[in-house]
Amino acid sequence: TQLLEQSPQFLSIQEGENLTVYCNSSSVFSSLQWYRQEPGEGPVLLVTVVTGGEVKKLKRLTFQFGDARKDSSLHITAAQPGDTGLYLCAGLIQGAQKLVFGQGTRLTINP
Amino acid sequence: DTGVSQNPRHKITKRGQNVTFRCDPISEHNRLYWYRQTLGQGPEFLTYFQNEAQLEKSRLLSDRFSAERPKGSFSTLEIQRTEQGDSAMYLCASSSPPGRETQYFGPGTRLLVL
Repeated sequence: TQLLEQSPQFLSIQEGENLTVYCNSSSVFSSLQWYRQEPGEGPVLLVTVVTGGEVKKLKRLTFQFGDARKDSSLHITAAQPGDTGLYLCAGLIQGAQKLVFGQGTRLTINP
Repeated sequence: DTGVSQNPRHKITKRGQNVTFRCDPISEHNRLYWYRQTLGQGPEFLTYFQNEAQLEKSRLLSDRFSAERPKGSFSTLEIQRTEQGDSAMYLCASSSPPGRETQYFGPGTRLLVL
């Protein structure tokens, strides 16, 4: 049973389009992190969200933490080929120290 | 470079051999984590240390796996009698004291067991 469901698992769109990636769970997280991972490398942190309803922006990327701290979304505006990669959401379960990861979204932006 | 470092980056071994990986966390981070990532999946938690104490171990960590952090700084992960199913990317992460739980990952060690 996957604790953190991430969707879609694969997404291929044209440059300039917008997209949203979702992470959903029935568990409450004390924080949620989004990472980007290149082939053969470790995940690189994009953002950490902590407060329910929190919205953080990183250039064309907008991250939102659900009010109940059970879900999160990543929205990319005007996607560029440089956004191509594997995006991972990871939640820190309340009272625990380990991160629980989603399956990842492999994003391809076509020129 | 003050990030998390891991060595080696790649390891190819034959089934039945022992392997050891090293992780150097960000300096002054007292928490260190090991994760395993197989192809097409997100990382899965293996174990974590607070200083030199190993505080949690996953059921994924069979008795062939052992991790240490003897001085509360670097950590090693040893796999004894490797099996083909051990082939994966082994990731190390570190974080600072409570209240700042963001985990920063190293580049990983990719293990291939033939």
